[in-house]
Amino acid sequence: AQKITQTQPGMFVQEKEAVTLDCTYDTSDQSYGLFWYKQPSSGEMIFLIYQGSYDEQNATEGRYSLNFQKARKSANLVISASQLGDSAMYFCATGNAGGTSYGKLTFGQGTILTVHP
Amino acid sequence: SAVISQKPSRDICQRGTSLTIQCQVDSQVTMMFWYRQQPGQSLTLIATANQGSEATYESGFVIDKFPISRPNLTFSTLTVSNMSPEDSSIYLCSVTRDGYTFGSGTRLTVV
Repeated sequence: AQKITQTQPGMFVQEKEAVTLDCTYDTSDQSYGLFWYKQPSSGEMIFLIYQGSYDEQNATEGRYSLNFQKARKSANLVISASQLGDSAMYFCATGNAGGTSYGKLTFGQGTILTVHP
Repeated sequence: SAVISQKPSRDICQRGTSLTIQCQVDSQVTMMFWYRQQPGQSLTLIATANQGSEATYESGFVIDKFPISRPNLTFSTLTVSNMSPEDSSIYLCSVTRDGYTFGSGTRLTVV
């Protein structure tokens, strides 16, 4: 079984500043992936970044980086140089990296990020 | 990664009616997944659709309410049957091919 906890219902950040969105996870899988998605008001789910449980280095994708601390079971998303267009809901999710549960994702409750000019 | 076309993007439906949502993928995929996102909530998996077999439903979801079709490796439909206002949600399909990709979602309002 998997569980994702996002403890920040809402976050505010000033434009051009960095912000960290928290995510902790619990899973019984030996091999798993951690994902972050952005959901604007339109409702679509935009993939941001992925971290595999056996990846030794933290994942980075442009302004997004994932602070992966396996022993603490945390996978925080860091957004650098925030932009007004970053205002959205952000979801952390986990999924099995293989086996019969492959493809199923378990999501956290989400964090609403608001970027102020 | 795969590209998914999901239709309709939104609809307003009368209670007691049914709505069929379609997802077309630009490449063949083994499994397709259907999620529901109720207002202000997170995403919850409804079912997994494999080609050539019946869909596998998660706890709390039943085939009579959410029948799923998977006629080939690039297409699937989800029907929301006998709708009530509680079915008002965003419904999303997803596939795993070079990553986990979602369709653009269907925003359903039942009145």
